[in-house]
Amino acid sequence: QQPVQSPQAVILREGEDAVINCSSSKALYSVHWYRQKHGEAPVFLMILLKGGEQKGHDKISASFNEKKQQSSLYLTASQLSYSGTYFCGTEGGNDYKLSFGAGTTVTVRA
Amino acid sequence: DAGVIQSPRHEVTEMGQEVTLRCKPISGHDYLFWYRQTMMRGLELLIYFNNNVPIDDSGMPEDRFSAKMPNASFSTLKIQPSEPRDSAVYFCASSTPEGTSGEQYFGPGTRLTVT
Repeated sequence: QQPVQSPQAVILREGEDAVINCSSSKALYSVHWYRQKHGEAPVFLMILLKGGEQKGHDKISASFNEKKQQSSLYLTASQLSYSGTYFCGTEGGNDYKLSFGAGTTVTVRA
Repeated sequence: DAGVIQSPRHEVTEMGQEVTLRCKPISGHDYLFWYRQTMMRGLELLIYFNNNVPIDDSGMPEDRFSAKMPNASFSTLKIQPSEPRDSAVYFCASSTPEGTSGEQYFGPGTRLTVT
């Protein structure tokens, strides 16, 4: 079951903040966040594990509400380099199998 | 490390032809994944391997698709016969064995166009 991401797109000016949401209809073991720039491969940002452990990027933070099966990615003081499409990938069990959302396109302007 | 290597980077073929995509995972990674990305369907997991053994192929669209991993450093995704609706970017990714959930490292992808 594909998770649902919102918003579909967001436009920011440098220094502004944004939140990207990801929700699933099933119980989650972990949530992964990736960023993909146009014409390139997705690049890992962060993993949030059931139980609260978080691993990943030092300038982008995220939260994981296990009860609500939701995760949010926080882009704080955005930089031009933050532009790209952000995908959440959800894992239902400890099986490495990810289902990816449709993506949120972030455009940061000077 | 060179990262995940995929070849070819671009493939244009005619409907009905056989297509073989290749992937070399990062050395030491136990998991290998094949994804397909299209505008309509997004990023879809086709199949993944653990220690060269296929674990889940439920995402493979139909019998025209097959994947193999003969050894730890090589995998292929074959489409025979190819159809225009197979046009997409195909990514291979590999994952570290450490921890209970590992980040996936994606290759640069193969852009397949079937005419």
